[in-house]
Amino acid sequence: DPKIIQKPKYLVAVTGSEKILICEQYLGHNAMYWYRQSAKKPLEFMFSYSYQKLMDNQTASSRFQPQSSKKNHLDLQITALKPDDSATYFCASSRQGDQAPLFGEGTRLSVL
Amino acid sequence: GDSVTQTEGQVALSEEDFLTIHCNYSASGYPALFWYVQYPGEGPQFLFRASRDKEKGSSRGFEATYDKGTTSFHLRKASVQESDSAVYYCALAQMNYNQGKLIFGQGTKLSIKP
Repeated sequence: DPKIIQKPKYLVAVTGSEKILICEQYLGHNAMYWYRQSAKKPLEFMFSYSYQKLMDNQTASSRFQPQSSKKNHLDLQITALKPDDSATYFCASSRQGDQAPLFGEGTRLSVL
Repeated sequence: GDSVTQTEGQVALSEEDFLTIHCNYSASGYPALFWYVQYPGEGPQFLFRASRDKEKGSSRGFEATYDKGTTSFHLRKASVQESDSAVYYCALAQMNYNQGKLIFGQGTKLSIKP
């Protein structure tokens, strides 16, 4: 059974719309992350959270907003979608400080 | 800034061949080094990590040795199988900051002919 659940697996959106990507982990980890994978940049770090607090943000655009409502949740809200946002978004988690991040299966987003 | 370079974009081998995928890094301080493998339609899977000079990481028959002198962490496997076909990523993270913030190389697509 997958321990990091991402929903939905596939998502199609129109330019200018808003979407929320869901991530839940059942590994007991206290750190969670978002990464993006596209044809232009294979795997790119976006955000990291530890104990539900933002630790690092490498995303230049404020259109990307992580949301942590529970300690094992880290959703990603994307507003004013653009075709360039088309990518696969991976959620990952780890035990803060001493463990390699483990990845979910991703949400493949297509913006038309 | 920190970076990871994988020399080979694609590698094509036959079963039982010896595999080497080259990984070099550029980073300040003393980063941890990682190898991940990604199969089609899946997320990257952690293979192994090394955190100090001369440390060897290994898993599933793959291995790599942290070499601070040559700033390298080359992936090797003595005898590949068709099931090893996948994309392999080398990555680094700064130990004293945020170990979940991985900087990945461009990836190497490995194809194994039966």
